[in-house]
Amino acid sequence: SAVISQKPSRDICQRGTSLTIQCQVDSQVTMMFWYRQQPGQSLTLIATANQGSEATYESGFVIDKFPISRPNLTFSTLTVSNMSPEDSSIYLCSVFREYNEQFFGPGTRLTVL
Amino acid sequence: SQELEQSPQSLIVQEGKNLTINCTSSKTLYGLYWYKQKYGEGLIFLMMLQKGGEEKSHEKITAKLDEKKQQSSLHITASQPSHAGIYLCGGGGSEKLVFGKGTKLTVNP
Repeated sequence: SAVISQKPSRDICQRGTSLTIQCQVDSQVTMMFWYRQQPGQSLTLIATANQGSEATYESGFVIDKFPISRPNLTFSTLTVSNMSPEDSSIYLCSVFREYNEQFFGPGTRLTVL
Repeated sequence: SQELEQSPQSLIVQEGKNLTINCTSSKTLYGLYWYKQKYGEGLIFLMMLQKGGEEKSHEKITAKLDEKKQQSSLHITASQPSHAGIYLCGGGGSEKLVFGKGTKLTVNP
């Protein structure tokens, strides 16, 4: 399995502000993934974070809104910029381990007022 | 694009009963993942299936993938209140997974 931690676990933010979410993995991984789960919805992939290169964003997500850093092989951050109530979601980071098993962090529950 | 449909959307059972959750893909799956999520929390990895016809069990939970790799079922035997939560299937090719909308399971004592 994988031990993945996220900070913060939850936050309540004002419209127009930004929040940076941290994800720490217990061992080195090539790719880290950021997902969003809006209320009552399933998970949607935001972007793939590769160490040493720009993140790859999925359709509908842009770097200006969701800048990602990947300074080393065990850590990544996702920033939710200029937040609006529509950004209220659970944000999860994820990694693949051997045998193609994919593990998720505990999530960051964001509420934007 | 690939889509995963889960059924039922919600399920209420009495403790001790068996139940089945289904996940159907619009395309052949490279791999099929099952997760459990408690409300507002992260996902707990349950099982992954890759081969057509594959079946895996862990404690009282059994997951199967059909031969065509487009349909999977998750079966819980003798359900307990600890099984309550949202069950999500995820699947796709490469490393990009698409997820179903989840099945909310309630187990009444």
